[in-house]
Amino acid sequence: KAGVTQTPRYLIKTRGQQVTLSCSPISGHRSVSWYQQTPGQGLQFLFEYFSETQRNKGNFPGRFSGRQFSNSRSEMNVSTLELGDSALYLCASSLDPNTSGANVLTFGAGSRLTVL
Amino acid sequence: ELKVEQNPLFLSMQEGKNYTIYCNYSTTSDRLYWYRQDPGKSLESLFVLLSNGAVKQEGRLMASLDTKARLSTLHITAAVHDLSATYFCAVVDRSYGKLTFGQGTILTVHP
Repeated sequence: KAGVTQTPRYLIKTRGQQVTLSCSPISGHRSVSWYQQTPGQGLQFLFEYFSETQRNKGNFPGRFSGRQFSNSRSEMNVSTLELGDSALYLCASSLDPNTSGANVLTFGAGSRLTVL
Repeated sequence: ELKVEQNPLFLSMQEGKNYTIYCNYSTTSDRLYWYRQDPGKSLESLFVLLSNGAVKQEGRLMASLDTKARLSTLHITAAVHDLSATYFCAVVDRSYGKLTFGQGTILTVHP
């Protein structure tokens, strides 16, 4: 069973550019959530999508956006990049976090973004 | 706003010793996770705790949950070098369907 696949794994951008990251969830998982990991702020929730709808959003500026497609694949976009956006961006998938039961979030390997 | 605090943040252990990592959270939640992260890697799920008094064990790790005290513990028994990693607890805020993570505990096991 394939895990959560994130692309690209590494990328370097310059300030002001934009970036799009992709996440393919585990087959059958309909919820995809995104997290930003930095040494200073730790793991912070960005947003969660379920059935192509954004259900939850963290405290990030509007430069951070995302979407989910009908096959549950998700993309996140960061526009007008700033140095502080350098981070590991992790995607996680699950059946549906809002149902009862364990519903483990399975994380992908991440996309490491460096902004110069 | 849900807050999750772990302690200690840094833990240096000798092989063979026992120790406990604590995870406190600020509001009611019905689900708590423990994850492990190796340097440069993603998060690996260790345990999911769903109810008060829940206890899960895998190898040298045992996790427990006290929902009344809003406290979870991750106990390490007879540590070995392979357990060196960063350990995170994470709590679901039932209103938002997201995980709020603790700061992480960096565990280093020395010979």
